[in-house]
This record gives sequence, C-alpha cells and structure tokens, in this order.
Amino acid sequence: EAQVTQNPRYLITVTGKKLTVTCSQNMNHEYMSWYRQDPGLGLRQIYYSMNVEVTDKGDVPEGYKVSRKEKRNFPLILESPSPNQTSLYFCASAPGTNSNTEAFFGQGTRLTVV
Amino acid sequence: GENVEQHPSTLSVQEGDSAVIKCTYSDSASNYFPWYKQELGKRPQLIIDIRSNVGEKKDQRIAVTLNKTAKHFSLHITETQPEDSAVYFCAASGGNKLVFGAGTILRVKS
Repeated sequence: EAQVTQNPRYLITVTGKKLTVTCSQNMNHEYMSWYRQDPGLGLRQIYYSMNVEVTDKGDVPEGYKVSRKEKRNFPLILESPSPNQTSLYFCASAPGTNSNTEAFFGQGTRLTVV
Repeated sequence: GENVEQHPSTLSVQEGDSAVIKCTYSDSASNYFPWYKQELGKRPQLIIDIRSNVGEKKDQRIAVTLNKTAKHFSLHITETQPEDSAVYFCAASGGNKLVFGAGTILRVKS
C-alpha cells in the first residue's frame, strides 16, 4: 500500500530534550516536506526537500533541522525543543522535484513540549 | 514570499445548499492551486486542484475557479451532504513551496 508513515504518533517531552520524528514514504517520491498545524494558522511549511541531499527552509524553520540522506526518509529533528513547538506535525511527499503536484500526507505526530 | 488568505473561517450550510470558500494569493508566480479536505483527526487529502492555464475545473459536486488577474480562486461545493463537514484548506505553489490558507471549518446541518 502506497503511504507516508510518521513515528511516533504522539509524543510528550520536556524542554531541551532532543527528539526526532521519522518520516518514510514508499512511493519513490522526490519531493518531501514537513508542516506544522496550529489552530487558526493552517499548515505552515517547516522544511522541504526536492531530492536526496537537497533541503531548503520553508516559512517557519527556526528550531528545526532535517536531513535527506536517502529518497524514502526525511526525519525532522528538534535539537532543543521549546513549548512553542507544541503542535501537530505532518510529513508529506509528492512526485516530481517541486511542490506543483498532489501532496500525500502522513498520519500526523502530535507533539507536546512541557 | 507567498501569502494566502482564506475566507470565511467558518461556514454553516443546510444540507443540499451550496458552499463557497474563497482564497487570495500574493505571488503572481504561483501556478498551482490545490484544495485539501481534513476530516476530524485525519490527515489532509487532496480533493481538487487547478493550474494557472485553466480558469475552471469540475469534479462531480466540486468545482474550482481561478482568476489569475485578480489573484483569487474559489472552491464551490454543490448539494452539500453531512459527510462534506470538515476543514478545507486552499494552497498556492510556485514550484518550491506550498503555502496554505488558514482553513475553513464547513458544517453541513441535516
């Protein structure tokens, strides 16, 4: 089954404790991205990647890192999480090397930083 | 950078009525405009999209119109049903980034 898989689905952590949210897709998509969803603000892009070893900042990259060492995986790293990073996070992938095609979303990761 | 504004933020309609959601964008270089539906507790899913070389696109009860001169696009849902209740997001892309509107909560009352 074609899908985008994120782990974990739920995470409660403490301020400053490094964490990684994994994202994997089995559709051989070149384009992958991370979004955070907050009430009243919609989905805001954190980082995106057009291909292996090619990453770039979205609109809200502060406090986040990503890597794209292989096509299928695009982990999101929070080196020192803060309470303002409490949010619902979605990973997405799309065919092609740009954002002009349908994005397929993972099931989401609800992160709480206390 | 691109900015997408979406209105209204909430919309209540009676079952069978039509619903219209409007979006405006700022970057004239944007050329791809998708609409996503997000049911409660679920992931966003594409329901329809339109590219800049097309003015209107229809898929059964859903249609999207695009006015590139005015930089706005709209989603039209006809004969609404209770299962249309969800959050709807418009978005705009110029190739690198996909920028979303803030979302519209649609409630269809039966």
